[in-house]
Amino acid sequence: GNSVTQMEGPVTLSEEAFLTINCTYTATGYPSLFWYVQYPGEGLQLLLKATKADDKGSNKGFEATYRKETTSFHLEKGSVQVSDSAVYFCALTGGYSTLTFGKGTMLLVSP
Amino acid sequence: NAGVTQTPKFQVLKTGQSMTLQCAQDMNHNSMYWYRQDPGMGLRLIYYSASEGTTDKGEVPNGYNVSRLNKREFSLRLESAAPSQTSVYFCASRAEVAVKNTGELFFGEGSRLTVL
Repeated sequence: GNSVTQMEGPVTLSEEAFLTINCTYTATGYPSLFWYVQYPGEGLQLLLKATKADDKGSNKGFEATYRKETTSFHLEKGSVQVSDSAVYFCALTGGYSTLTFGKGTMLLVSP
Repeated sequence: NAGVTQTPKFQVLKTGQSMTLQCAQDMNHNSMYWYRQDPGMGLRLIYYSASEGTTDKGEVPNGYNVSRLNKREFSLRLESAAPSQTSVYFCASRAEVAVKNTGELFFGEGSRLTVL
């Protein structure tokens, strides 16, 4: 079946540092890949997505590239802010309806 | 824009009690989902409904039942709550996309349930 593996957190950074959160996946066929973000006390919201190999999703300074050869979709940001502190979930969908999530990575950014 | 609305936001139950979590979406989406979120486990799918009138089990359906009342509403029922069902529950919805389902999931704010 489908699965998503994310690096364990928390990831602790200082403001303006470079961020990478690793995500690898196992899926049959050609899944679509997503990053969702969850701010404290809120539900998840879509951050970015990519629907085919070599696509780059981007939003709010975050980027991730769909790498089929390495089955990866790593999340990056060049300069994090305190307001980026949240839990980040990598996810994929390969079937008709369901989304498979990773376990989430907490990011803590200090001033 | 309400989006996905869940009620209640907080609930404390005793073991063996029953309750229903309500979810409604106003985006005319076909698919609706119930997930639970536990520390270190991420989100796990309990049940989903691909369209009005259909429901299917997800990864962790035991101890739960669902009803897709109409296109807008999808409820989750715990018939006899157990401490293992202490969790944060999220309802979500998604519009279907004709080619390779790539539609975004929209989540409610969550319902925090504690079973004593």
